[in-house]
Amino acid sequence: EVQLVQSGAEVKKPGESLKISCKGSGYSFANYWIGWVRQMPGKGLEWMGIIYPGDSDIRYSPSFQGQVTISADKSISTAYLQWSSLKASDTAIYYCARRSPEGAPDYWGQGTPVTVSS
Amino acid sequence: DIQMTQSPSLLSTSVGDRVTITCRASQSISRYLNWYQQKPGKAPKLLIYVASSLQSGVPSRFSGSGSGTDFTLTISSLQPEDFATYYCQQSFSTPGTFGQGTKLEIK
Repeated sequence: EVQLVQSGAEVKKPGESLKISCKGSGYSFANYWIGWVRQMPGKGLEWMGIIYPGDSDIRYSPSFQGQVTISADKSISTAYLQWSSLKASDTAIYYCARRSPEGAPDYWGQGTPVTVSS
Repeated sequence: DIQMTQSPSLLSTSVGDRVTITCRASQSISRYLNWYQQKPGKAPKLLIYVASSLQSGVPSRFSGSGSGTDFTLTISSLQPEDFATYYCQQSFSTPGTFGQGTKLEIK
């Protein structure tokens, strides 16, 4: 069974750093693109970027380029999303999602709520 | 960046209704269009991929059509569990972009 399990909720202060994770199981992690999606409170879905763990090819959406860093460790089937300096506007739920060969995100993590507040 | 525009943003509807949601791309995306359902507090769920292929386990009352720039999601007979928000997403370019969502509410 394909599963993506994300790390737990985070509460941080502005300016702090953060790295959240997404562990895949039940499939060949290295051979599927895996991406991150932001959902701000009461808002829609936004693709942030996507990584191919097999060779660490990364594509960022223009809005998120330079704002976050996406990485993956295929040896432990885990993808990461990190911030070096959080802002209040980073408050959101972050989902990881596996992209199928047809290009559709077919399996999703449960979401990681991130709250940034002073 | 390819922009995706859904309409309507909000749809008041009733159980048993036939519902159609449209999605328009700012440029041709061939058939690389996917549809998702999201319920409050839950992760999105894939319904339709490459415009018209039904994801495994999704009821047959859901169907998709279209190509190029114009696409539709149709629910043939709305059930109580279908009241949710629906998103289209293009996978023509990587990583892809979502529409702004269509919320189905009970009339």
